[in-house]
Amino acid sequence: DTEVTQTPKHLVMGMTNKKSLKCEQHMGHRAMYWYKQKAKKPPELMFVYSYEKLSINESVPSRFSPECPNSSLLNLHLHALQPEDSALYLCASSQDGTNAWEQYFGPGTRLTVT
Amino acid sequence: GQSLEQPSEVTAVEGAIVQINCTYQTSGFYGLSWYQQHDGGAPTFLSYNALDGLEETGRFSSFLSRSDSYGYLLLQELQMKDSASYFCAVRDSGGSSYKLIFGSGTRLLVRP
Repeated sequence: DTEVTQTPKHLVMGMTNKKSLKCEQHMGHRAMYWYKQKAKKPPELMFVYSYEKLSINESVPSRFSPECPNSSLLNLHLHALQPEDSALYLCASSQDGTNAWEQYFGPGTRLTVT
Repeated sequence: GQSLEQPSEVTAVEGAIVQINCTYQTSGFYGLSWYQQHDGGAPTFLSYNALDGLEETGRFSSFLSRSDSYGYLLLQELQMKDSASYFCAVRDSGGSSYKLIFGSGTRLLVRP
């Protein structure tokens, strides 16, 4: 199974809402990633978890809060977002951080902040 | 820092061969990856070259020249479904080696 799943597929939220994005993989991968992607741009790394520990935070605003409850799950908690945060949020995984060159991406959550 | 350059758009005819180039500048280098992304879809891993030479996977091949800091993705027998964006990527050679740095992407349009 080389699938990464993400829920929800679409999310519309107001600037005062709190919501969470979920990501799951069952490939036994030990590195998981959150990316933000704007239209016609490459994915932009937000966070990396390696062996359930946060390894990289790319100076992401605190209104984005990642969580890795176990080796298969990755969450992204959203609070007080801004309209410019509207984007496709992609989750990915790799065997471990040293295999970051081969990542498996989920289908993404299309987020709209109103 | 690191940077990757690739053409923004390439157009080709169905059945033809197209080459998408990528040049990179990094202080350290582990290898070059390629990803495909259809509109509205997720990036899909295509290939990885750590050593010089050509790697072939079906209709797709990827080439690397470390001395020239250059690589390319070669797509043969183009099909309409190959219309997508293609990203080259390198691992960060600085402190964040778990980080993948993507080029800006090449949008390939395959015409009938």
